[in-house]
Amino acid sequence: NAGVTQTPKFQVLKTGQSMTLQCAQDMNHNSMYWYRQDPGMGLRLIYYSASEGTTDKGEVPNGYNVSRLNKREFSLRLESAAPSQTSVYFCASSADYGQGVDAFFGQGTRLTVV
Amino acid sequence: TQLLEQSPQFLSIQEGENLTVYCNSSSVFSSLQWYRQEPGEGPVLLVTVVTGGEVKKLKRLTFQFGDARKDSSLHITAAQPGDTGLYLCAGKGAGSYQLTFGKGTKLSVIP
Repeated sequence: NAGVTQTPKFQVLKTGQSMTLQCAQDMNHNSMYWYRQDPGMGLRLIYYSASEGTTDKGEVPNGYNVSRLNKREFSLRLESAAPSQTSVYFCASSADYGQGVDAFFGQGTRLTVV
Repeated sequence: TQLLEQSPQFLSIQEGENLTVYCNSSSVFSSLQWYRQEPGEGPVLLVTVVTGGEVKKLKRLTFQFGDARKDSSLHITAAQPGDTGLYLCAGKGAGSYQLTFGKGTKLSVIP
């Protein structure tokens, strides 16, 4: 079982370039999330999708857009990359939003913006 | 905004020692989870606790959820080098889709 798959694993962008981070899960989960992880800051939620067809902002949404393409796929787009967006990005999924929901994470995308 | 404070931030111990890491908040959570993250990997779920006062054991790891559901602890008995990693707690408020993460405790177990 693949679980949560993220592509690419590494990326270097120049300031102002755009890119899309892809995420797919094969666990038939309803909810999907995008987090960024920075040293000393922990994991911070960028956007989430509680179910297919819905998306909502998390703690740090500025500079990002998302698309819940179908139940399996949730993409994160940087329209005009900035050095402050250098980070490790994690996609996660969970079965539902109820109490005690278990989240499963991908391996991450390491993005550097120069 | 619900905040989770983890302590200590760093911990370096010898193999065979016991340790406890803490996760505290002023907010009430409907559930709390512990994850372990190794370098270059995503966090991996260890346990979820949902009931105040709940204690769960996973081999040498013991997890406790505070009675008021505002805090949690992770105790490791006889630590091994394979326990090395970043331990993250995450809490979810009632009716919320969002998991709030602590900043983590970086554990190093020296052989």
